Amino acid sequence: EAQVTQNPRYLITVTGKKLTVTCSQNMNHEYMSWYRQDPGLGLRQIYYSMNVEVTDKGDVPEGYKVSRKEKRNFPLILESPSPNQTSLYFCASSPWTGGYEQYFGPGTRLTVT
Amino acid sequence: AQKVTQAQTEISVVEKEDVTLDCVYETRDTTYYLFWYKQPPSGELVFLIRRNSFDEQNEISGRYSWNFQKSTSSFNFTITASQVVDSAVYFCALSEANAQGGSEKLVFGKGTKLTVNP
Repeated sequence: EAQVTQNPRYLITVTGKKLTVTCSQNMNHEYMSWYRQDPGLGLRQIYYSMNVEVTDKGDVPEGYKVSRKEKRNFPLILESPSPNQTSLYFCASSPWTGGYEQYFGPGTRLTVT
Repeated sequence: AQKVTQAQTEISVVEKEDVTLDCVYETRDTTYYLFWYKQPPSGELVFLIRRNSFDEQNEISGRYSWNFQKSTSSFNFTITASQVVDSAVYFCALSEANAQGGSEKLVFGKGTKLTVNP
């Protein structure tokens, strides 16, 4: 089944404790992206990657890191999480850019206390 | 800079009513793409439709229809004869093309929460 998976789905952590949210897609998509969703703000893009080893900042990259060492994986790293990073995070992929629809993962709900 | 405005934060209707969700966008590009996504209470994001800036034809898919008007920078979404299962948050999104014809950023509106009551 074609899908984007994220792990974990739920995470409660404490300020400053490094964490990684994994994202994997099995559709051989070139493009992958991370978003955060906050009440009243919609979805905002954090980082995106147009291919292996190619990543770039979205609208809200502060406090996050990403890597794209393999085509299928695009982990989101929070080196020192803070409470303002409490949010619902979505990973997405698409075959390429140029207006293809993005396929979204199920979301990861992160709480930083 | 690209921007998407969904002025309706919440809409509540009774089943079988028609409802239109508004989307107004801003972009300086002549080539861009517009999308609608649905987020039901279960939380996943479901793709509904994509439109490129050169295709102003309206589209109908079952009870769903979309009205794209470049003159008013709008891409409105209408649900005919709404059903309880249509209850969800609906997002409009915009993607601008880069020099190579691709696009990197997808900018979302803040969403419209639709509640369809029985």
